[in-house]
Amino acid sequence: KNQVEQSPQSLIILEGKNCTLQCNYTVSPFSNLRWYKQDTGRGPVSLTIMTFSENTKSNGRYTATLDADTKQSSLHITASQLSDSASYICVVSRWVTDSWGKLQFGAGTQVVVTP
Amino acid sequence: GAGVSQSPSNKVTEKGKDVELRCDPISGHTALYWYRQSLGQGLEFLIYFQGNSAPDKSGLPSDRFSAERTGGSVSTLTIQRTQQEDSAVYLCASSSPPGTHTGYTFGSGTRLTVV
Repeated sequence: KNQVEQSPQSLIILEGKNCTLQCNYTVSPFSNLRWYKQDTGRGPVSLTIMTFSENTKSNGRYTATLDADTKQSSLHITASQLSDSASYICVVSRWVTDSWGKLQFGAGTQVVVTP
Repeated sequence: GAGVSQSPSNKVTEKGKDVELRCDPISGHTALYWYRQSLGQGLEFLIYFQGNSAPDKSGLPSDRFSAERTGGSVSTLTIQRTQQEDSAVYLCASSSPPGTHTGYTFGSGTRLTVV
């Protein structure tokens, strides 16, 4: 079973609207959680990184939240733009010295922003 | 270079042929990782290099897959006797020493299609 579950699998939103993506994880012990944006045909690009002691992190119109107690994270996109159309991937790692290869990836949420 | 470079960007091969995928990491990045992303699936770890050695090969799906890295820089992923289930996007990432919070950088990937 995947240790990182994302929802919804996909969503369509109108340009200018807000949306929130969810990430639930069972990875333990937890070190940090990252959100990546992956445009079609491109590699993932980091949006935010949060450790267990951080509960919110912003990057422009992207705001990530983290509740390490309930093992839930969300990514909020404000005033969406057409360029926000992409797959958003939640990535969780166990502890800071763990091999990066042991990062656990969610399957992603495909976001489509329409005019 | 400025980013992680992968080549070719697209590769179509016949079933049973061998293929080589190349990854040129960011200059100075000692760690290099290969991942595979099948259609609609999350990222699947394949192998991790620290310098020229591969301390973690646990993700290689079969003995048809191998990878090497020379000079602590360029890496090649070789798939022998390709099968249709090998069709996927193969992503490479590089980072400064593992365990840092700075994240790591992905290449744009090689889209492999086995026909």
